[in-house]
Amino acid sequence: AQSVAQPEDQVNVAEGNPLTVKCTYSVSGNPYLFWYVQYPNRGLQFLLKYITGDNLVKGSYGFEAEFNKSQTSFHLKKPSALVSDSALYFCAVSADYKLSFGAGTTVTVRA
Amino acid sequence: EAGVAQSPRYKIIEKRQSVAFWCNPISGHATLYWYQQILGQGPKLLIQFQNNGVVDDSQLPKDRFSAERLKGVDSTLKIQPAKLEDSAVYLCASSLAQGSEAFFGQGTRLTVV
Repeated sequence: AQSVAQPEDQVNVAEGNPLTVKCTYSVSGNPYLFWYVQYPNRGLQFLLKYITGDNLVKGSYGFEAEFNKSQTSFHLKKPSALVSDSALYFCAVSADYKLSFGAGTTVTVRA
Repeated sequence: EAGVAQSPRYKIIEKRQSVAFWCNPISGHATLYWYQQILGQGPKLLIQFQNNGVVDDSQLPKDRFSAERLKGVDSTLKIQPAKLEDSAVYLCASSLAQGSEAFFGQGTRLTVV
């Protein structure tokens, strides 16, 4: 069985400050990990993924994520948040060929 | 490159009626997913196809939901009869292969009244 947890329902930051969205996972075997973003009335957009290799992966719109095997985490980060980053963010894990999503974290960046 | 196409975008039906959703994945993508996203929750996988075979349908309410992917390309998801709790956004996604990133359509928002 596999599962994803996003411990924070909401994250609020000021524009220009660093943004972190947390994600932990549980799988048997090696995970493939993903981050997606969802804007209102839109489908999910792929941001970045970790398959293997360097623990720090870079993705779209200046986002990056760090894979930590010992802590089973895959936190999403952005050094300087923009108001336009306000959206719903989902972490996902794929193992045994199934793709499972967390409950999502609403990010609000205030001007 | 064209994205994942879904239709209709919106649908309102009465409970106990039937409804069908259509999805056309990105050309060449072997894996196709149907997800149900209830407001305020993450997407829940209903069914996953690899070409025209079912990989996982463990969370599909088979007494009322059915899906098919004939010829391994486009897919339809049907609900018959619908219940009030089926009100949600139904998302279709496709990926090149199992384990690679999935690309999502804009979804169909279903309201059951």
